[in-house]
Amino acid sequence: KNQVEQSPQSLIILEGKNCTLQCNYTVSPFSNLRWYKQDTGRGPVSLTIMTFSENTKSNGRYTATLDADTKQSSLHITASQLSDSASYICVVSSTDSWGKFQFGAGTQVVVTP
Amino acid sequence: DTEVTQTPKHLVMGMTNKKSLKCEQHMGHRAMYWYKQKAKKPPELMFVYSYEKLSINESVPSRFSPECPNSSLLNLHLHALQPEDSALYLCASSQGGQNNQPQHFGDGTRLSIL
Repeated sequence: KNQVEQSPQSLIILEGKNCTLQCNYTVSPFSNLRWYKQDTGRGPVSLTIMTFSENTKSNGRYTATLDADTKQSSLHITASQLSDSASYICVVSSTDSWGKFQFGAGTQVVVTP
Repeated sequence: DTEVTQTPKHLVMGMTNKKSLKCEQHMGHRAMYWYKQKAKKPPELMFVYSYEKLSINESVPSRFSPECPNSSLLNLHLHALQPEDSALYLCASSQGGQNNQPQHFGDGTRLSIL
């Protein structure tokens, strides 16, 4: 069973609207959680990294939240743009496994005009 | 442009060929990674080098052979690949030492095995 589950699998939103992506994990002991954006045919690009003590972190129009007690994270996209169309991947690492990262399956976001 | 450069961008090879993928970074990062990514799937870890030494091999078949000639370069030598090895091969780097450093990914090499 995957230790990082993302939802929804995909979504379509209108340009200018907001959306929220979810990530639930069971990775333990927890080290950090990161969100990546991956455009089609490109490598993933880091959006945020959060450790246990951080509840929220922003990067422009992207805001990530973390609840380490419930092992849940969300990524909120504000005022979406066409360039936000991409796959968003949640990645969690453990303090027990240096160099290894548990990847979620990603949420495919399509922003339409 | 990404800070991790991968060449070539595309590679088509037969099952009997020998080829190499190359990855280069000049950020002073001491950890470098190879991932394999199939369409609509997340990246799968293959190898990790730390300070130019192989630290992690995720039970990758021997037809894939990694090499880290120096702290800036990472190669992946390919030989006798199978059609199911067709995928996007991503290289990444991080400062190393701690797991809380961001990984910087290249844009990958799209590999097709005939």
